[in-house]
Amino acid sequence: NAGVTQTPKFQVLKTGQSMTLQCAQDMNHNSMYWYRQDPGMGLRLIYYSASEGTTDKGEVPNGYNVSRLNKREFSLRLESAAPSQTSVYFCASSDVPQEEKLFFGSGTQLSVL
Amino acid sequence: AQKITQTQPGMFVQEKEAVTLDCTYDTSDQSYGLFWYKQPSSGEMIFLIYQGSYDEQNATEGRYSLNFQKARKSANLVISASQLGDSAMYFCAMREGPGGGFKTIFGAGTRLFVKA
Repeated sequence: NAGVTQTPKFQVLKTGQSMTLQCAQDMNHNSMYWYRQDPGMGLRLIYYSASEGTTDKGEVPNGYNVSRLNKREFSLRLESAAPSQTSVYFCASSDVPQEEKLFFGSGTQLSVL
Repeated sequence: AQKITQTQPGMFVQEKEAVTLDCTYDTSDQSYGLFWYKQPSSGEMIFLIYQGSYDEQNATEGRYSLNFQKARKSANLVISASQLGDSAMYFCAMREGPGGGFKTIFGAGTRLFVKA
């Protein structure tokens, strides 16, 4: 059971570089999410996709873009990375209302220098 | 406006004692869900317990129970008989209803330390 798979696990970028974080789930879930976790601030929602073909902004969308490529995959792109985007990024999926809880990936530690 | 509030940045509890982690939430939806997740030092997110807004009974899962007080908009987590392995970050979360796009948002977390 793969569940939610995120790549890469670690990444170091220079300010201004771009990158895409990949996320895939094999549970046929409708909803997918991207969160960032910073010390003392919990998990903050960046973008989410309630179903294939839709994406919506979360609490902290500035500086990010997303693509729901198909039902399985939801990618997060940083077009011009900034040091403020240094964080741990989590992808998650759920299947509201059938499956309420979130299934999380293992996280990506991103450092922007 | 913050929708999930966890007012205890850190908590200490003696092993084998019970501890309550506080969570209050804010929503105008009638249908929503409340969760607690545990994050040990290894970093993974572990689901603990879920309470639906229409559930009349408080949810329980083993040593975990959710004290749901709808009128007060609180969803406190009670851990009974604390164990050393319970030392971790604990996050309260809410799956919003149709007014919030069904998305799930989190509180800032409470770090629990269990003392031997």
